[in-house]
Amino acid sequence: SQQGEEDPQALSIQEGENATMNCSYKTSINNLQWYRQNSGRGLVHLILIRSNEREKHSGRLRVTLDTSKKSSSLLITASRAADTASYFCATERDSSYKLIFGSGTRLLVRP
Amino acid sequence: NAGVTQTPKFQVLKTGQSMTLQCAQDMNHNSMYWYRQDPGMGLRLIYYSASEGTTDKGEVPNGYNVSRLNKREFSLRLESAAPSQTSVYFCASRTSSSGTDTQYFGPGTRLTVL
Repeated sequence: SQQGEEDPQALSIQEGENATMNCSYKTSINNLQWYRQNSGRGLVHLILIRSNEREKHSGRLRVTLDTSKKSSSLLITASRAADTASYFCATERDSSYKLIFGSGTRLLVRP
Repeated sequence: NAGVTQTPKFQVLKTGQSMTLQCAQDMNHNSMYWYRQDPGMGLRLIYYSASEGTTDKGEVPNGYNVSRLNKREFSLRLESAAPSQTSVYFCASRTSSSGTDTQYFGPGTRLTVL
């Protein structure tokens, strides 16, 4: 079974708006990562947050982590049509280097 | 520097046929992974190799075998393909350096089993 569940499953917004995606997981983790997948392509790493961190920024991306609630959120500010993609959270539970992926959020940014 | 490459890009098999998916990375990474992605779902780990010479099962290993041929190459074999193995297969690699936890993905192999 998958570790992460993402919410919403699909999101449609207007260019310039912010997009927020949420991820919940079941067990304790070492870190949580967000990946992006354009249609028909492989995954690209966006950002990683460690279990002892609460918030991290990278460009227009902001990730938060609440280990007490076992949840994370990814915020994309000032979205662009090029941000249209599927976004996946993935958790690394221990030092095994294995990632467990969520089911993803499909983001559509309308021009 | 090509990153992670996979061959073939597309494959159609009949039930019961066998095939090997190839993966190679040129980033000198220690760890390599095979995932499958079914429509509308996230990736599920099939097998991984934490370092050259070792392989371990992931979430969904049944029906697959792997070989870590050397540090660069990690192959996935379907001995007797079944329609349930129709999926997109992704290979990934990562270094084991402390603080570097990113996995780098190949472009995927789309496999259809009839």
